[in-house]
Amino acid sequence: GEEVAQTPKHLVRGEGQKAKLYCAPIKGHSYVFWYQQVLKNEFKFLISFQNENVFDETGMPKERFSAKCLPNSPCSLEIQATKLEDSAVYFCASSQPRDAYSNQPQHFGDGTRLSIL
Amino acid sequence: SQQGEEDPQALSIQEGENATMNCSYKTSINNLQWYRQNSGRGLVHLILIRSNEREKHSGRLRVTLDTSKKSSSLLITASRAADTASYFCATERGYNFNKFYFGSGTKLNVKP
Repeated sequence: GEEVAQTPKHLVRGEGQKAKLYCAPIKGHSYVFWYQQVLKNEFKFLISFQNENVFDETGMPKERFSAKCLPNSPCSLEIQATKLEDSAVYFCASSQPRDAYSNQPQHFGDGTRLSIL
Repeated sequence: SQQGEEDPQALSIQEGENATMNCSYKTSINNLQWYRQNSGRGLVHLILIRSNEREKHSGRLRVTLDTSKKSSSLLITASRAADTASYFCATERGYNFNKFYFGSGTKLNVKP
């Protein structure tokens, strides 16, 4: 598609439950990124993929967060044993192949609002 | 923040006035980009300025970059009510060109 599609728009989970978010990148974009935005403030980088391979996962909390981008499937971000502090809006972005010189922008979806009760 | 700060945090102006937002960052960069976020939506790319550029224009937008001061400014001229949104700067640095570092954003309110 022509837009990054994120589902669901809003996800409510009880503390300790699992949460799974999905992202369909723009067709032809080989890079996918996940960001966390808390309280409408700055965007915290979580992880990036080049096709189905993890490119950079330095922002991912080690223990409870995992992500995948498998061929012919939406990308996913999964949080095990959710905590209240995981409440945030999670954004997915995609971009065309890029290097230090191509300077391609990232195209963002509208996010999934995760509420942990 | 992960990378830097933006100021002001909030800005309220009348339609037709100019709006200026500033972004400071902490390390050397490859480029700096400005994004807009409307309420409840994702980020929309506005403009990119490379580290070897000092000024760039796009429609009513003017971006400057001062690498010696590690700062950038975004000027929106002749603002409109539709410009009401939050504005974020993002930087890419070193060889990590696939990881954006975002500022904390400026919330702009343009009153009709």
